[in-house]
Amino acid sequence: GEDVEQSLFLSVREGDSSVINCTYTDSSSTYLYWYKQEPGAGLQLLTYIFSNMDMKQDQRLTVLLNKKDKHLSLRIADTQTGDSAIYFCAESFAPNEKLTFGTGTRLTIIP
Amino acid sequence: GAVVSQHPSRVICKSGTSVKIECRSLDFQATTMFWYRQFPKQSLMLMATSNEGSKATYEQGVEKDKFLINHASLTLSTLTVTSAHPEDSSFYICSARDRGGANPGNTIYFGEGSWLTVV
Repeated sequence: GEDVEQSLFLSVREGDSSVINCTYTDSSSTYLYWYKQEPGAGLQLLTYIFSNMDMKQDQRLTVLLNKKDKHLSLRIADTQTGDSAIYFCAESFAPNEKLTFGTGTRLTIIP
Repeated sequence: GAVVSQHPSRVICKSGTSVKIECRSLDFQATTMFWYRQFPKQSLMLMATSNEGSKATYEQGVEKDKFLINHASLTLSTLTVTSAHPEDSSFYICSARDRGGANPGNTIYFGEGSWLTVV
């Protein structure tokens, strides 16, 4: 079955880079996503990557995909206090299909 | 960007009563909507896939008679929690699929979520 795992917590000093990691088991996943959830709010899509890509960069965000190891990471450069949130990785077979979410990583910024 | 609205954002109900949560796509047509449930400090778990004009498809372990889903129009799906109990207290989030979307960035949009507390 599908299984997506993440570390539960990450603390980073303001201005440093944050790296949030995710592992998945289903090798047929075609799309992999990173979502941000602020307290009590819904989900905001940050970025996504196709399974045939190794890397995608979007401003302060860099996504790395190691398909062989089924490992996905999200790097946030110059982490700010507004980046405090829970970050979920997710996978799907198609862009319009249901998502399987990871356990979520709570990112805390240390002043 | 596209907007998905959920209502109510917070609701408290008495044990044994039913409560309805609405999910609306405000500026696009959604033939499919997804309902997720999130327990505190846990991930989102898909409950069911709601298809306009047909019966919802429920995930394994989700009681269809307890969580009634109706998708009567291209812009509205409702989740009714029947005979609610304290263990049904949770954060419920819907997402809607824009049938005009072609890539992940413009296909699935999430609502703001609804907090249900059963007392």
